Amino acid sequence: AQTVTQSQPEMSVQEAETVTLSCTYDTSESDYYLFWYKQPPSRQMILVIRQEAYKQQNATENRFSVNFQKAAKSFSLKISDSQLGDAAMYFCAYRGLYGGATNKLIFGTGTLLAVQP
Amino acid sequence: NAGVTQTPKFQVLKTGQSMTLQCAQDMNHEYMSWYRQDPGMGLRLIHYSVGAGITDQGEVPNGYNVSRSTTEDFPLRLLSAAPSQTSVYFCASRGGGTGGPNEQFFGPGTRLTVL
Repeated sequence: AQTVTQSQPEMSVQEAETVTLSCTYDTSESDYYLFWYKQPPSRQMILVIRQEAYKQQNATENRFSVNFQKAAKSFSLKISDSQLGDAAMYFCAYRGLYGGATNKLIFGTGTLLAVQP
Repeated sequence: NAGVTQTPKFQVLKTGQSMTLQCAQDMNHEYMSWYRQDPGMGLRLIHYSVGAGITDQGEVPNGYNVSRSTTEDFPLRLLSAAPSQTSVYFCASRGGGTGGPNEQFFGPGTRLTVL
């Protein structure tokens, strides 16, 4: 069974600085999707960035980028120029491509990011 | 588009009571799902549906029932509420069939407390 691990329950960053959130996963599949979701205090789940495992190029969305290391099964999120509005819980998630796995988004336990002014 | 809507936003139940959490989406998405979020455990899949009339169990289905009579609606029923079902519940939908890294859209969540 696939699992997603976020080993940093809490992180803190100064405004305008860069922070990296870690995520590792376990799967026997070769093709899959990885996601980072943001959950601010409003509770709304917001997709930050997505990565297709068959693409070697790391995904980037404005100030958010990932470091995808397929062999190491690592998928970290880098937030550059951190802003106060980035303060939130961040979840890493995995979804398979085939069969029943494509219907299941598997989440890590989350990392709570604080941004200090 | 309203996206994914959930009602109610908050609910308090007594042990043994039953209730239905409502979920609707107006994006004509085939895939809908229910998750529960508990502190320190992330989101876990309860039930999902790949289309009207088709449902299946997720990771934590016990104590919950679902049906999908229309594309738009996917209600979650608690048959006999237990304190262990105190949680925040999210409904989500996704289009584009089963392929592609299509975004899963989440509703605003329902905070349920069972006393």
